[in-house]
Amino acid sequence: DIQLTQSPSFLSASVGDSVTITCRASQGISSYLAWYQQEPGKAPKLLIYSASTLQSGVPSRFSGSGSGTEFTLTISSLQPEDFATYYCQQLDSYPRTFGQGTKVEIK
Amino acid sequence: EVQLVESGGGLVQPGGSLRLSCAASGFTFSSYSMTWVRQAPGKGLEWVSVIARDGATTYYAESGKGRFTISRDNSKSTLYLQMNSLRAEDTAVYHCARKMSSGTYPLDNWGQGTLVTVSS
Repeated sequence: DIQLTQSPSFLSASVGDSVTITCRASQGISSYLAWYQQEPGKAPKLLIYSASTLQSGVPSRFSGSGSGTEFTLTISSLQPEDFATYYCQQLDSYPRTFGQGTKVEIK
Repeated sequence: EVQLVESGGGLVQPGGSLRLSCAASGFTFSSYSMTWVRQAPGKGLEWVSVIARDGATTYYAESGKGRFTISRDNSKSTLYLQMNSLRAEDTAVYHCARKMSSGTYPLDNWGQGTLVTVSS
């Protein structure tokens, strides 16, 4: 199985900050990676797929990059509604594993 | 509007069985592969299983192999997860999710989930 390791697991930031979350895969997965946002008590929401394609309706302050084994999610100018937990998921092979999550909290 | 509504969760004793359902609406259900993802209390997301559009192909996480069975009824636009020999570690919120039909096939719509608690 492909393992995904996110870093950091937790980060504290202020409104207006730019933050970057990294997701590393245990083997190459080309661009077969998605990012999801989950607010407390809610279902996950798709943000980005194919490593860098923004899902329809997602604000442009979210961006993704990377290929192979290293990927990043960047949120420029954090907004209050962005404080949530973020997960990466590999779409290369089954089982479609997730990273352990990165919780973004208000400083 | 795409809607996915799970049901069937509840309290079950270890070794027991439960069948979860996911009622889909707002899209042509038979045109999409469907997935179950679970989340234990306070933990991260865990992929559980996927089923192809016609139900002919399925895959499972190791944690559910031999115990869980995913199925679908396209005439009823409903996805199922039959869970047998349940263990305490199966306690989680179970979400159904639609697999996008293009690109790299991420999960583009999710239900709110149904809570399964395995405890004596």
